Amino acid sequence: DQQVKQNSPSLSVQEGRISILNCDYTNSMFDYFLWYKKYPAEGPTFLISISSIKDKNEDGRFTVFLNKSAKHLSLHIVPSQPGDSAVYFCAASDRLRNTGKLIFGQGTTLQVKP
Amino acid sequence: KAGVTQTPRYLIKTRGQQVTLSCSPISGHRSVSWYQQTPGQGLQFLFEYFSETQRNKGNFPGRFSGRQFSNSRSEMNVSTLELGDSALYLCASSLGTASYGYTFGSGTRLTVV
Repeated sequence: DQQVKQNSPSLSVQEGRISILNCDYTNSMFDYFLWYKKYPAEGPTFLISISSIKDKNEDGRFTVFLNKSAKHLSLHIVPSQPGDSAVYFCAASDRLRNTGKLIFGQGTTLQVKP
Repeated sequence: KAGVTQTPRYLIKTRGQQVTLSCSPISGHRSVSWYQQTPGQGLQFLFEYFSETQRNKGNFPGRFSGRQFSNSRSEMNVSTLELGDSALYLCASSLGTASYGYTFGSGTRLTVV
């Protein structure tokens, strides 16, 4: 049972435009969500996170939106840059019951074209 | 400050052998989690240690084990290696929970032949 899903395996956008990456989850006990960026043969790099008590968190070009009723979150990158090309993972945590454990989606490969 | 250090970076082992991977967390971080990344299964949680105690465990067979030392460094061991154990093994360190964030190392690429 995949509790965190990223239904788009890949996304291609033009430099300067907005990139929107989506993530759905099924477990209502998740109370913290994170986005990571990953290059091949490297570990994931933390981008941005959001607590379930918020619906938006912003950090520079990156904004994460959380819709609890729909169990959906999205990552917006504005403007997109070629250096943003990587695999993006969303991850969810149930901080109370499952310490140290992140449930990851399958990832979305973002390609930003110059 | 130094990041999360995993050694070795690459490893080739034969079926049936055992392997030990090492992870040194960021200074001050007491939580270390381990993940397996494969093309088919994505990133899957193995286990988490906090102050030398295993706090959480994923759905992996008993061949996968770990431990944490008093200096928070952690090791994971895989015994009786199978071809399907070939993967990128990642460790992540944290001050405690997801609220503090998890910082990942670069991983150990294990190939079982």
